[in-house]
Amino acid sequence: QQQVKQSPQSLIVQKGGISIINCAYENTAFDYFPWYQQFPGKGPALLIAIRPDVSEKKEGRFTISFNKSAKQFSLHIMDSQPGDSATYFCAAPNQAGTALIFGKGTTLSVSS
Amino acid sequence: EPEVTQTPSHQVTQMGQEVILRCVPISNHLYFYWYRQILGQKVEFLVSFYNNEISEKSEIFDDQFSVERPDGSNFTLKIRSTKLEDSAMYFCASSVETPVNGAGELFFGEGSRLTVL
Repeated sequence: QQQVKQSPQSLIVQKGGISIINCAYENTAFDYFPWYQQFPGKGPALLIAIRPDVSEKKEGRFTISFNKSAKQFSLHIMDSQPGDSATYFCAAPNQAGTALIFGKGTTLSVSS
Repeated sequence: EPEVTQTPSHQVTQMGQEVILRCVPISNHLYFYWYRQILGQKVEFLVSFYNNEISEKSEIFDDQFSVERPDGSNFTLKIRSTKLEDSAMYFCASSVETPVNGAGELFFGEGSRLTVL
């Protein structure tokens, strides 16, 4: 089954700092790579996604950087805020493009 | 705002019992999914469903699992004979298109916590 490897498992960042989460994927026929955010007691929700006709996508304080040759993509959270404290999951399509396979998640804590 | 709703929010069952988890996807969505998450860890794919049939299933989705869309609105996951290791949070999700298409965002419910004793 398609594997998605995410690191680090947990991350503690000071308020105003930069949070960086990395993801590596195996071969996929579909270039679509989303990040989902999950707060305690809630289901995951789409945060930002990239279709790599570009190497970078930015939405507000959130940026996805994509490196196709290395089969890696990362999430950068600029000016991290306590409200960003959550679990972040990267994902990639399965071989058939019929579902998303998620990484193991990164628990981000932003200290004030 | 439309949302995916799941019931029950928490179910406790004895090992070997059958459990049915229910989901009402967003009304105009065509693709449906079940995922599970053990102890707040990895979100594991179980099954995807489209046009009244399974599109894809993972190795976890063995013969004790089944899905059904019985009435055009509900989407159910049945676990025929629960095991201790089935204890997890089960998430239902739906999307307008397949995940790789433009409108393929997965919308998740808040989950059903299953505890098997």
